[in-house]
Amino acid sequence: AQKITQTQPGMFVQEKEAVTLDCTYDTSDQSYGLFWYKQPSSGEMIFLIYQGSYDEQNATEGRYSLNFQKARKSANLVISASQLGDSAMYFCAMNDEGYQKVTFGIGTKLQVIP
Amino acid sequence: NAGVTQTPKFRILKIGQSMTLQCTQDMNHNYMYWYRQDPGMGLKLIYYSVGAGITDKGEVPNGYNVSRSTTEDFPLRLELAAPSQTSVYFCASSYSIGNTGELFFGEGSRLTVL
Repeated sequence: AQKITQTQPGMFVQEKEAVTLDCTYDTSDQSYGLFWYKQPSSGEMIFLIYQGSYDEQNATEGRYSLNFQKARKSANLVISASQLGDSAMYFCAMNDEGYQKVTFGIGTKLQVIP
Repeated sequence: NAGVTQTPKFRILKIGQSMTLQCTQDMNHNYMYWYRQDPGMGLKLIYYSVGAGITDKGEVPNGYNVSRSTTEDFPLRLELAAPSQTSVYFCASSYSIGNTGELFFGEGSRLTVL
């Protein structure tokens, strides 16, 4: 079974609008963490946000927030006020097995339309 | 402060050749990882290490070997290269303390096997 599932291969959003990128995960561990990374066309991996499994509040970093629903095993990324520079691939990831092993989903390609 | 450095950035191999991708980090991170990213896909974990002398298999270890003799270095060895190993390879490192988890990535190494 996939540990990280991202079901949206591609998404479009109008500039200045908000967008939600979906991520579900599968683990039997109680202690784990969830990440989102951005990969622009230049190829580098940019860390966006992190949520620990014991964190009671949803993580926020500027325009990024992580909608963490533990019972549903989902960790959706919300980007508010989209900008043209947000056009990129977005990857959800999880570290489990003692926080040692980090696995990634297949990504969602976001395109921001002017 | 160089962060994570990978060499070479580009390489073309013939089928059956061997090579080593070098990865070094200067942040004194205990955890290091090797991923491959096929075109339009997510990152797949090849091998990881939680400290010098300790390595473990990820999702796609076949055809690769690693070693971790020092905290700084985590080379990835390809034996008998095959066209299926054509990919972009990323090395990453992180602190060993759980729940803080950002991965620091190298710039990637693009490998083509012909």
